[in-house]
Amino acid sequence: KQEVTQIPAALSVPEGENLVLNCSFTDSAIYNLQWFRQDPGKGLTSLLLIQSSQREQTSGRLNASLDKSSGRSTLYIAASQPGDSATYLCAVGNQAGTALIFGKGTTLSVSS
Amino acid sequence: GAVVSQHPSWVICKSGTSVKIECRSLDFQATTMFWYRQFPKQSLMLMATSNEGSKATYEQGVEKDKFLINHASLTLSTLTVTSAHPEDSSFYICSAQVTGLAFFGQGTRLTVV
Repeated sequence: KQEVTQIPAALSVPEGENLVLNCSFTDSAIYNLQWFRQDPGKGLTSLLLIQSSQREQTSGRLNASLDKSSGRSTLYIAASQPGDSATYLCAVGNQAGTALIFGKGTTLSVSS
Repeated sequence: GAVVSQHPSWVICKSGTSVKIECRSLDFQATTMFWYRQFPKQSLMLMATSNEGSKATYEQGVEKDKFLINHASLTLSTLTVTSAHPEDSSFYICSAQVTGLAFFGQGTRLTVV
């Protein structure tokens, strides 16, 4: 059974710092991996999608990497801003068209 | 990107009553939709997979008679929480996928008093 773990559970940084969020999964036979942002009491916003054949994806200040063989993904946020404060969720898709399996998330707080 | 609209965004109901939550795909057709539940400080947990024109598939431990799912069209799935109890209070959120990319509704905060 696929399990997804995210560390740290919470992270506080001053504005401008670069940071890395970690995600690990137990079964490396995944179809894709997706990173989301969730603001308090809100739905999910998709940040980056990495297919199993890809090693990284970039969008603006965000870069996500995937090492399928070791069961790891990282989300790198450059030059953090207070508006980046949110919970970041990592989710794994085991097969095409199936539901995602989520980690518990990392709650990020960026202070100005 | 694709849009999934969920309604209502929050609801408060009395114990014993039923609540219906709607999930619509606004600009695409979704033969499959997923319903998740999220308790405070916890991860999103899949409750059931909603299939257009057929019965939903429920995850282990989710009562199908309590959480009724209807997926009558390619753009609408509904989740009805029947005879709600305080322990059903949670954040419910639906999702649909387009070419492997998952899109989520805004979520529904259910509070049962």
